[in-house]
Amino acid sequence: RKEVEQDPGPFNVPEGATVAFNCTYSNSASQSFFWYRQDCRKEPKLLMSVYSSGNEDGRFTAQLNRASQYISLLIRDSKLSDSATYLCVVPFSGGYNKLIFGAGTRLAVHP
Amino acid sequence: GAVVSQHPSRVICKSGTSVKIECRSLDFQATTMFWYRQFPKQSLMLMATSNEGSKATYEQGVEKDKFLINHASLTLSTLTVTSAHPEDSSFYICSARGGSYNSPLHFGNGTRLTVT
Repeated sequence: RKEVEQDPGPFNVPEGATVAFNCTYSNSASQSFFWYRQDCRKEPKLLMSVYSSGNEDGRFTAQLNRASQYISLLIRDSKLSDSATYLCVVPFSGGYNKLIFGAGTRLAVHP
Repeated sequence: GAVVSQHPSRVICKSGTSVKIECRSLDFQATTMFWYRQFPKQSLMLMATSNEGSKATYEQGVEKDKFLINHASLTLSTLTVTSAHPEDSSFYICSARGGSYNSPLHFGNGTRLTVT
């Protein structure tokens, strides 16, 4: 199993839709997880941190399922500005304080 | 929140020259910084882990003599691309984890390198 795996998409959704992405990870000892968003030709920006079962911030909800080793990101009431690539990030199983990035899921929100 | 500053944001150089990229943590001390590279339409790839006061740890396939990393202080890491070639053209991004082990990564704004 890869360290972290994401559905690359793209997810094409209309404005106002609810969309969810999943991310699976292999390191069962991981304690912290992160979702980043990356716009074209820009650096990743932290969207949410997930340390326990989940986290919610406005229209965004992240959930952690330790038994099945996946985290999800739910976006409600999608906006055009949500169009970006969403990166799932998990700790490297070999330690060294490293974080491993998924390949990203592309979201395109259309009018 | 934690801020990481990267400079320059864009550089164009001729083949065979060297380019230095600086990464600074502005409001926290970073004993460890990470250097990533991203080619168009591809995911971020970790190149190396920069450790303050010691040698960097390079990922498999990354040439340490070509990508020189120096982490001389708790707030500054530099990446030097030596004898750059067109295939080194890429988006280079540094990052650092602020505070505790569970802290997220904070990224610099990246350096777009074009080698002609």
